[in-house]
Amino acid sequence: GNSVTQMEGPVTLSEEAFLTINCTYTATGYPSLFWYVQYPGEGLQLLLKATKADDKGSNKGFEATYRKETTSFHLEKGSVQVSDSAVYFCALSDGGAQKLVFGQGTRLTINP
Amino acid sequence: DAGVIQSPRHEVTEMGQEVTLRCKPISGHNSLFWYRQTMMRGLELLIYFNNNVPIDDSGMPEDRFSAKMPNASFSTLKIQPSEPRDSAVYFCASEPGLVGEAFFGQGTRLTVV
Repeated sequence: GNSVTQMEGPVTLSEEAFLTINCTYTATGYPSLFWYVQYPGEGLQLLLKATKADDKGSNKGFEATYRKETTSFHLEKGSVQVSDSAVYFCALSDGGAQKLVFGQGTRLTINP
Repeated sequence: DAGVIQSPRHEVTEMGQEVTLRCKPISGHNSLFWYRQTMMRGLELLIYFNNNVPIDDSGMPEDRFSAKMPNASFSTLKIQPSEPRDSAVYFCASEPGLVGEAFFGQGTRLTVV
């Protein structure tokens, strides 16, 4: 079945560091790919998405490119801030079944 | 719009009691999802509805769990009887029909003692 694998956390960085959170997927067909973010005490929020190969999703300084050849959708940010501390989830849409499949989440902590 | 509204935000109950979690989706959204989040198992999809009809309940852990969506603006998740291993944060989410663009509520933190 469809699945998403994220890099193990937690990840701790200093402010202004470069961020990469790896995400790979297994899917039949051509899923859409997403990154969601969960701030402490809140529900998940859509951060960015890409719907087809080579698409780049971007929002709030974060970017991710849909790489079909490597089945990856890595999240990057050039300069992180303390306010980026959260749990990040990679997900794919199982279009036929109309539901999201989430990775296990990666906890990110940014120190000032 | 106020977003997806869940109630209560916190629930503490004794083992064996019935628990009902409530969700009001965003108006106009035609898909609704119930998730459970724990440290051990991460985020799990329990059940989802499309146009008030249950589409996939394969994630419901056992018969003690049931969910209903009597109309487009309300859904419930019921656990009867509750057990300590049901302790988790339960999220409701709705979508406007674009698959994957889910809007989550703030969750209900359930503790069964």
